[in-house]
Amino acid sequence: DTEVTQTPKHLVMGMTNKKSLKCEQHMGHRAMYWYKQKAKKPPELMFVYSYEKLSINESVPSRFSPECPNSSLLNLHLHALQPEDSALYLCASSQVRGLAGGGDEQFFGPGTRLTVL
Amino acid sequence: GNSVTQMEGPVTLSEEAFLTINCTYTATGYPSLFWYVQYPGEGLQLLLKATKADDKGSNKGFEATYRKETTSFHLEKGSVQVSDSAVYFCALSDRSNDYKLSFGAGTTVTVRA
Repeated sequence: DTEVTQTPKHLVMGMTNKKSLKCEQHMGHRAMYWYKQKAKKPPELMFVYSYEKLSINESVPSRFSPECPNSSLLNLHLHALQPEDSALYLCASSQVRGLAGGGDEQFFGPGTRLTVL
Repeated sequence: GNSVTQMEGPVTLSEEAFLTINCTYTATGYPSLFWYVQYPGEGLQLLLKATKADDKGSNKGFEATYRKETTSFHLEKGSVQVSDSAVYFCALSDRSNDYKLSFGAGTTVTVRA
């Protein structure tokens, strides 16, 4: 199984809502990532988990809260988002190579298209 | 630090034309190089990779050769199809940056029948 799955595919939420994005992989990878991608732009790294521990936080606002319940699952909890947070949120996974958990070849999921009203 | 520069798009081609997307990089160490492709409405897919100088990555008719002397990793395909219409990202990862992916800006390719 070389697939990363993400749910939901689309999400519309108000600025006062709380929602969660989910990501799952069964490739045995121990590094997992959250990216944010705006239209026509490359993905921007948000968080890296290595062996289920947060190893990199790219100065992401606290309204985004990641969680890694086990080696296969990665969640992104959303609260009090702003309209500018509307984007495609991508999850990825890889083997661990770096001390901070970054891997080499990353496998991406299909993404969650988030709209904040 | 690490950086990737891709040729500006968009690129519009006719079916069966030859495609080249230029990519050059700056890295402090010995990076691995990647091409990712993003089809409309989808996530990124790894298209090909090369991990050391003179390696050639290839997949689905696409090729790219890791050229250390010119710090380049240009993507080529000899005969494109309409289904190759997508955004292509060149990227590198390197130990000096904790193996975080550094992406180019992306090149939008449209192939017309």
